[in-house]
Amino acid sequence: EVQLVESGGGLVQPGGSLRLSCAVSGFTFSSYWMHWVRQAPGKGLVWVSRINSEGSSTNYADSVKGRFTISRDNAKNTLYLQMNSLRAEDTAVYYCARSGYSTSGGYYFGMDVWGQGTTVTVSS
Amino acid sequence: QSVLTQPPSASGTPGQRVTISCSGSSSNIGSKTVNWYQQLPGTAPKLLIYTNDQRPSGVPDRFSGSKSGTSASLAISGLQSEDEADYYCATWDDSVNGWVFGGGTKLTVL
Repeated sequence: EVQLVESGGGLVQPGGSLRLSCAVSGFTFSSYWMHWVRQAPGKGLVWVSRINSEGSSTNYADSVKGRFTISRDNAKNTLYLQMNSLRAEDTAVYYCARSGYSTSGGYYFGMDVWGQGTTVTVSS
Repeated sequence: QSVLTQPPSASGTPGQRVTISCSGSSSNIGSKTVNWYQQLPGTAPKLLIYTNDQRPSGVPDRFSGSKSGTSASLAISGLQSEDEADYYCATWDDSVNGWVFGGGTKLTVL
C-alpha cells in the first residue's frame, strides 16, 4: 500500500524555522517526483514546491522562493521541506504528494497520492 | 485570487448531474492537461481525474472530465450524498513556472 506520512509541524514564532518530513512507503521513492502543497485554514489548495526524482531540479511558488527549500533522501525514502523566515501567512496544513506518472504516455501528470498533512502555525 | 477560476459553490439533488467549470488561460489550461481533486471534509485531497479525462483506478465512472480551449469541466452524474465535498482543478502554468489550483468549488447535495 502506498503511504505518505508527514511530520514536523508545530507552533513557531514569526521569523523562525521548521523542517517538515514526509516518510514514504509502498512504492519506489527514487523513481518519482514529489510535491509539497499547503492549505491555509478554511482556504483552498496552494502548490508550494516540487523536486525531481534525483533531487537535482526544484521549483518553488513565488510566495516561498528564497525562504523554503525542498530536498529528498532517496536512501531514507524521505522528502523534506526546510522552512525559514516563517510568516503568519505560512500558517497552513502542509501535504506532501507524489507526482503521478503515466506509463503509457511517459509523462508526469501532477499529484496523485497525498499524505494526511501536518499543521504549521506561525504565531507569537 | 487564483489563477484558475472555479465557481465557489454548486449544488444538486441525489441522482442529478452537475458540472463544475474551471477557467484558465493560454499559459495553463490552454496548453497543459488538467487534473481534478476531491477533498472530503477534514481529509486530504484525492485525485479524481488526471490528464483532462482519465480516471484513476477505483474512481467511479460517474465522474468524468473534459477540456476545451482554456477551460475544463468536471461532471458528476447520478449524484450521491457522499459526493458532498470540495473540488479543485489544477494544472501547470508556464507563466509562473509552477502548479496552480482553482479556488475550489463546494458541492452541496440537497
